[in-house]
Amino acid sequence: DSGVTQTPKHLITATGQRVTLRCSPRSGDLSVYWYQQSLDQGLQFLIQYYNGEERAKGNILERFSAQQFPDLHSELNLSSLELGDSALYFCASSVAGKNEQFFGPGTRLTVL
Amino acid sequence: GQQLNQSPQSMFIQEGEDVSMNCTSSSIFNTWLWYKQDPGEGPVLLIALYKAGELTSNGRLTAQFGITRKDSFLNISASIPSDVGIYFCAGLSNTGNQFYFGTGTSLTVIP
Repeated sequence: DSGVTQTPKHLITATGQRVTLRCSPRSGDLSVYWYQQSLDQGLQFLIQYYNGEERAKGNILERFSAQQFPDLHSELNLSSLELGDSALYFCASSVAGKNEQFFGPGTRLTVL
Repeated sequence: GQQLNQSPQSMFIQEGEDVSMNCTSSSIFNTWLWYKQDPGEGPVLLIALYKAGELTSNGRLTAQFGITRKDSFLNISASIPSDVGIYFCAGLSNTGNQFYFGTGTSLTVIP
């Protein structure tokens, strides 16, 4: 158990819908990262937050957004969902000043 | 975007054999991380490397940060069935905060 929690574990929804994925980092970790993992793309970095502020942005679509709250938990919002958005979404966290990222168990999103 | 070439793509080995895999990049990296992922689970951090030439062990696992800073290697000695999984390298570019992941090496250990 990495100490990073993610909810829900599974999510099934329809095209055009909007969903919110939630992540709680390890105790004391200020950085939260979001990744998308699909069969043909591997792990793709989406976005990083540090202590509530956006720190780095990767290949995140405009339909996706994220935020980190004062209690350091983070949410990833996916809207206008398409079939191709079906994937595993992982959250990771790291302590300030260290690059070692610890991953949560992931949320499996299925868009029908 | 940045690409990490990880090889081999898959390996089938006998229990007890040693395993080697590597990751190469076209750019210089400041940090290399190695992860193992079981099906349906999140990646688990195995080893972190921070300096060129650094050699670090974690039990039967040994990883090295290449001298050119463009590659890294992971070795597993005396493989056992629970080593089965997908191994990923990840590198932190010296130009930004973004980690790039390799495409993974799928390891199968035959008892």
